[in-house]
Amino acid sequence: SQQGEEDPQALSIQEGENATMNCSYKTSINNLQWYRQNSGRGLVHLILIRSNEREKHSGRLRVTLDTSKKSSSLLITASRAADTASYFCCSTGGTSYGKLTFGQGTILTVHP
Amino acid sequence: ETGVTQSPTHLIKTRGQQVTLRCSSQSGHNTVSWYQQALGQGPQFIFQYYREEENGRGNFPPRFSGLQFPNYSSELNVNALELDDSALYLCASSLDLREVGELFFGEGSRLTVL
Repeated sequence: SQQGEEDPQALSIQEGENATMNCSYKTSINNLQWYRQNSGRGLVHLILIRSNEREKHSGRLRVTLDTSKKSSSLLITASRAADTASYFCCSTGGTSYGKLTFGQGTILTVHP
Repeated sequence: ETGVTQSPTHLIKTRGQQVTLRCSSQSGHNTVSWYQQALGQGPQFIFQYYREEENGRGNFPPRFSGLQFPNYSSELNVNALELDDSALYLCASSLDLREVGELFFGEGSRLTVL
C-alpha cells in the first residue's frame, strides 16, 4: 500500500474563493485518488488520476500529478459552503487496488 | 448514494464483548475492504476479501476477523473489545480486485466501547 499525506491539515476560506490542497506520497504509484468525507459519514470518490496523466478536470475540481516530486494537488474552484468536508488523497501501486492508505486529510471549511 | 449498505449504524458495547458488523456491497462488486477510522484520523486498512478469500491484511490483531459470502456481502467480527476499538468502521466495495478504480464506501458503523 502507498501513503498519502495531505497539506494543509485545515483550510478556512470564504464562499467563492478557490481551495487548494496538496498531497505527497513516498513510492511509485499506478494511480492517485482523492476522496471527500462529510463529518462522520462515508467517503465519496472524487477523482482518479493515473500515473501517466499530469492533469485532470471534473466539474469544479482540478487535480494535478507530479510523479517526479511525488505530489498531487486538488483545486476546488468557486467553493461553496456545501464543499465543507475532509479531503483525503491515497495512491495505489502494484495489485493493491483496494488497499488504500490514507493520511489524516485536509479539513476544508467554506464560510458562506 | 453508493449502493453499499452497512449495519448497524451505531452500537455501544462494553470492554471484552464481541461485535459483528455487516456490509452489503454494490451490485456486481466482488471485492470488499474494511477500514477503521478513529476520531480525527484517516481510515486505516483492516483487510480485504476477494471472492470469499482474504486478500491482504493491515496491521490489526487476529481478534479482528472477517468473512465474505457467496453473494459478496461481508462481515467484520471483533472479539475481546478494547476501548481503543471505538471508531467508525467503513466497508468499501470495488468492481474487481484486478481493476484500477474507485472504491465505493458505505456510511459506516460507529462503534463505541465503554
